[in-house]
Parts: sequence; C-alpha cells; structure tokens
Amino acid sequence: EAQVTQNPRYLITVTGKKLTVTCSQNMNHEYMSWYRQDPGLGLRQIYYSMNVEVTDKGDVPEGYKVSRKEKRNFPLILESPSPNQTSLYFCASSPTGRVLYEQYFGPGTRLTVT
Amino acid sequence: AQSVTQLGSHVSVSEGALVLLRCNYSSSVPPYLFWYVQYPNQGLQLLLKYTSAATLVKGINGFEAEFKKSETSFHLTKPSAHMSDAAEYFCAVSRGAAGNKLTFGGGTRVLVKP
Repeated sequence: EAQVTQNPRYLITVTGKKLTVTCSQNMNHEYMSWYRQDPGLGLRQIYYSMNVEVTDKGDVPEGYKVSRKEKRNFPLILESPSPNQTSLYFCASSPTGRVLYEQYFGPGTRLTVT
Repeated sequence: AQSVTQLGSHVSVSEGALVLLRCNYSSSVPPYLFWYVQYPNQGLQLLLKYTSAATLVKGINGFEAEFKKSETSFHLTKPSAHMSDAAEYFCAVSRGAAGNKLTFGGGTRVLVKP
C-alpha cells in the first residue's frame, strides 16, 4: 500500500531532551515536507526537501533540523525542544517539487513538550 | 506574500443541506488552489485542485469549488451533506509553479447534524 508513515504517533517529552520524529514514504517521491498544525493557524511548513541531500527552510524552521540522506526518509529533529513546539506534526510527500502534484500526508505525530 | 483566509472556523449543517465553505486568497501571481480534508485522527487528503484550467473544479465525494478571480475566492460546496462529511477542511494556495510550497488557511470544522 502506498503510504507515508510517521513514528511515533504520540510523544510526551520534557524541555531540552533531543528527539527525532521519523517519516518514511514508499512511493519513490522526490519531494518531502514537514508541517506543524496549530488551532486556527492551519498547517505551516517547517522544512522541505526537493530531493536527496537537498533541503530548505519553510515558514517556521526555528528550533528544527532535517536531513535527507535517502529518498524514502525525511526525519525531523528537535535538538532542544521547548513548550512552544507542542503541536501536531505532519510529514508529506509528492512525486516532484512541482506544485501541480498532490501532496500525500502521513497520519500525524502529536508532540507535547512539558 | 500569499495568504489564505477561511471564513468561519466552525460550520454546522443539517444532513441533506448545502455545504458552503468560504476561502479567499491573496496572491501576486496566478494561483494554484487546493482544498484538503482531514478526518478525525488522520492526515490530510486532497479533495480537489484548481490549476488554471476550468474555473469550476469537481472533486471527490461530491464536492466542487469555483475559482473567481475577480473576487479572489475559491469557495467549496456540496449540494447535500452526509454524516461522513464531518471533518476539518483546509483551503491552500501554492506559492508559485516552482517548488511545491503550500500556504494553508486556518481550517473550517464541519459538523453535520442528523
């Protein structure tokens, strides 16, 4: 089944404790992206990747890191999480970086930082 | 900069009644526009998209949207609501033909009453 998977689905952590949220897609997509969803704000892009080893900042990159060493994986790293990073996170992928293509979303990771 | 405004964070409709969700955008270039739906505890999935072809766009599950350049609007409609339409709906605009960057509205949660 073609899908985007994220792990973990739920995570509660404490301020300053490094964490990684994994994202993997099995559709051989070139483009991958991370969003955070907050009530009333919709989804905001954190980072995106046009292809392997090519990443760039989105609208809200502060406090986050990403890497794209393999085509299928695009982990999101929070080196020192803070409470304002409590949010619902979505990974998405699409065949290429061209906007005409639909983005496929993972199921989401709900992160709470205390 | 591009932006999207969704009028009404919550909409309540009766089963069988018209569903109308409003979306207005601002864009300095001809836009690509999208409607996504998010069912409870799931990721987003594409309902429909406008890519400068026909101004009336038909999507899945009986939804359609009309692009009106003069009003900078892309409202979503469905003639007859079904209980399964209860979800959150997001309007999004692309940031240009190069790079699959989406700017999302704040979302509208639809409640369907029996």
